[in-house]
Amino acid sequence: GAGVSQSPSNKVTEKGKDVELRCDPISGHTALYWYRQSLGQGLEFLIYFQGNSAPDKSGLPSDRFSAERTGGSVSTLTIQRTQQEDSAVYLCASSPTGGTNYGYTFGSGTRLTVV
Amino acid sequence: SQQGEEDPQALSIQEGENATMNCSYKTSINNLQWYRQNSGRGLVHLILIRSNEREKHSGRLRVTLDTSKKSSSLLITASRAADTASYFCATDAGGTYKYIFGTGTRLKVLA
Repeated sequence: GAGVSQSPSNKVTEKGKDVELRCDPISGHTALYWYRQSLGQGLEFLIYFQGNSAPDKSGLPSDRFSAERTGGSVSTLTIQRTQQEDSAVYLCASSPTGGTNYGYTFGSGTRLTVV
Repeated sequence: SQQGEEDPQALSIQEGENATMNCSYKTSINNLQWYRQNSGRGLVHLILIRSNEREKHSGRLRVTLDTSKKSSSLLITASRAADTASYFCATDAGGTYKYIFGTGTRLKVLA
């Protein structure tokens, strides 16, 4: 597509429920990143995909968080048994290749609120 | 951690004035980028500067990089109300695949 698309735009969920966040990157971009931004804070790296594999999952906060990418395209971030501290904006970005020679194109994010 | 730290945390200026934001980082880098974020949602890429570059321009934006001081600055000239946003620097870890973002500078341009 023309840009990075994330859905849903907003999600309110009850504590303890599972949620799935979706990212549709720019067509042909092999690198995909998930970041998390808590209110008024900077971006916290979660996971990096190159194609369908995730060479770096080091930023996932706990084993309640998982992510996958299929067909070298769409990625899903799943949070199980959500907690209030999971409330944040979850941002996805893609880049033409792995490496740091290109800027990232970000989606508009999913604002997750756990009540 | 080699997270970038922006300074100041918040900046308020009058329309037409110049705005300068600084970024310091801890370890060697290959590339540094600046991003703008409006209303706490998606970030927009502004400029990428490589470690062998000292200055880059894009329209009203000027970015400098001093690798000896491990610092960068973003200058916005003749600011406009529409420049009101948060600005983040992002540094790579010397050739790895990911960028680490700083905590940002909140710029407010008063009309």
